[in-house]
Amino acid sequence: KAGVTQTPRYLIKTRGQQVTLSCSPISGHRSVSWYQQTPGQGLQFLFEYFSETQRNKGNFPGRFSGRQFSNSRSEMNVSTLELGDSALYLCASSLVAQDGYEQYFGPGTRLTVT
Amino acid sequence: SQQGEEDPQALSIQEGENATMNCSYKTSINNLQWYRQNSGRGLVHLILIRSNEREKHSGRLRVTLDTSKKSSSLLITASRAADTASYFCATDPNYGGSQGNLIFGKGTKLSVKP
Repeated sequence: KAGVTQTPRYLIKTRGQQVTLSCSPISGHRSVSWYQQTPGQGLQFLFEYFSETQRNKGNFPGRFSGRQFSNSRSEMNVSTLELGDSALYLCASSLVAQDGYEQYFGPGTRLTVT
Repeated sequence: SQQGEEDPQALSIQEGENATMNCSYKTSINNLQWYRQNSGRGLVHLILIRSNEREKHSGRLRVTLDTSKKSSSLLITASRAADTASYFCATDPNYGGSQGNLIFGKGTKLSVKP
């Protein structure tokens, strides 16, 4: 099976712009989670989607949003970019069970905001 | 806030030695997972241990979980230079079932010298 893919891999944006990142999960996985990784804050959960519904959201401002399509592919959007949004954005997919399953991560999108 | 806290923050050993990393967490969990990350790339899933399990093995990896102490340990036996990476524990908090929001610690940076 192909792994989780993320596009683009690298992105440079200017403050105030917006950006959309894409994630294609492993075939059969219906849950997609997004994480932000920075040197200062580490890995932080952004949100999780299952069957096109956001089930959970981390402690991030409303500028961070996402969605999931019927084929389980997901996008996240960051509007009005700030310098502090520079980070590695990782998405992960998993099967769903009451007591959880392994999450498989993509290679990430490295966003630089100048 | 970070739930998992790894200890030590950094570990340097010689090839062939064993490496032990510890993780503590705060709340009730569905499962605990360990991941490896090489130089800011995507995370690689290593092992998942469920809350009703006490020990799990996978190749050279051994994970233990003590839910009464809210702690876990990862042992890598006979380490190799290729094991050099950052290792993260991640907890799947039990908020009435898994909802895809892993909470990561800050990680242990392991360096294995040839």
